Amino acid sequence: NAGVTQTPKFRVLKTGQSMTLLCAQDMNHEYMYWYRQDPGMGLRLIHYSVGEGTTAKGEVPDGYNVSRLKKQNFLLGLESAAPSQTSVYFCASRFAGGEQYFGPGTRLTVT
Amino acid sequence: GDSVTQMEGPVTLSEEAFLTINCTYTATGYPSLFWYVQYPGEGLQLLLKATKADDKGSNKGFEATYRKETTSFHLEKGSVQVSDSAVYFCALSSTGNTPLVFGKGTRLSVIA
Repeated sequence: NAGVTQTPKFRVLKTGQSMTLLCAQDMNHEYMYWYRQDPGMGLRLIHYSVGEGTTAKGEVPDGYNVSRLKKQNFLLGLESAAPSQTSVYFCASRFAGGEQYFGPGTRLTVT
Repeated sequence: GDSVTQMEGPVTLSEEAFLTINCTYTATGYPSLFWYVQYPGEGLQLLLKATKADDKGSNKGFEATYRKETTSFHLEKGSVQVSDSAVYFCALSSTGNTPLVFGKGTRLSVIA
């Protein structure tokens, strides 16, 4: 099992550019999450999904969109990147009530 | 809403010292409680968990006891090693379906 994988690992964007971060899990988990991690702020939930075809907003959803067209994939989109979106992004997945598994992270810099 | 408060770091200890990282929570009902660890350049991984009051989670020499009366889940280790240097996150889940709520993390540095 690969667990939770994230693509890409690193990315540099210019302000206004768009991109999509891909998260994939091979554990058949229903729930998937996108977090951002900033120094001194801990982890903040951006969006999450409780099943294929469903998404919900987390604590800091503005400027991001997500899609869950397949159970194993959860995509995070930035339509028009801003320097405030410079961060490390983590994806996670779990069964209901179970342990949450995290991916290795994507380090995004917006200049 | 639910929240987790953990002691601010950084915490610097000498090898073989005793470690305590405090964590308190606010939640409705009876949440499950977790400690996650993040090593440099990696994602978070579960260290231990407890799902009901008075449960003790343990792993790799770390322990934490679910104290409902004090709404706490303090992380302890009797003798830390340099390899324990990492960021530690306390987290809770009020029900099986809700996203985990994380504390801000505590950075631990252990020096030889």
